Amino acid sequence: TQLLEQSPQFLSIQEGENLTVYCNSSSVFSSLQWYRQEPGEGPVLLVTVVTGGEVKKLKRLTFQFGDARKDSSLHITAAQTGDTGLYLCAGAEGSNYKLTFGKGTLLTVNP
Amino acid sequence: SAVISQKPSRDICQRGTSLTIQCQVDSQVTMMFWYRQQPGQSLTLIATANQGSEATYESGFVIDKFPISRPNLTFSTLTVSNMSPEDSSIYLCSVVTGSYEQYFGPGTRLTVT
Repeated sequence: TQLLEQSPQFLSIQEGENLTVYCNSSSVFSSLQWYRQEPGEGPVLLVTVVTGGEVKKLKRLTFQFGDARKDSSLHITAAQTGDTGLYLCAGAEGSNYKLTFGKGTLLTVNP
Repeated sequence: SAVISQKPSRDICQRGTSLTIQCQVDSQVTMMFWYRQQPGQSLTLIATANQGSEATYESGFVIDKFPISRPNLTFSTLTVSNMSPEDSSIYLCSVVTGSYEQYFGPGTRLTVT
């Protein structure tokens, strides 16, 4: 089983600030997915990255997959209160689609 | 993407009883999974629900405790058997619709007293 280390575990910032969340492993993933989960709801898929070095942008969110496909980062520019939530990274092994999740980053954006 | 619904959305059950959770998808999907999210924790994969055959369980999870059915490509059930307070969790089903993309249902919040 591959392990995903996610950091930081908790992050509290002011509206308008930038932040980066990291997801690291010693193993190689065939793909890596980022989710956001709000209380009482299931995780919502934000992005899937599959190619080493890949960068994807979703409005103010920028996702990067490491060249070796062992790590990923999520950068949020000018955070808004609506960005508050639990951010989860999850990696897939091979082609079986089974996901291993990181422990999550609980982000609080204060007005 | 896919629209996934789960029933019930939440339940409070007594120790020793069983609860069956349903997962319905609005389109046919090949891969369907069941996950558990314990309070304040991340998600852990319970099993892969295989259509027409027995589910494939992850280490630490067994069929007697978590029997799973998958009668067709749009529906699956997970039963939590002989429940104890340690089974209090959110149970989530997920589906894979496209290459590498996995979508989750809203979850079933189970409390065992």
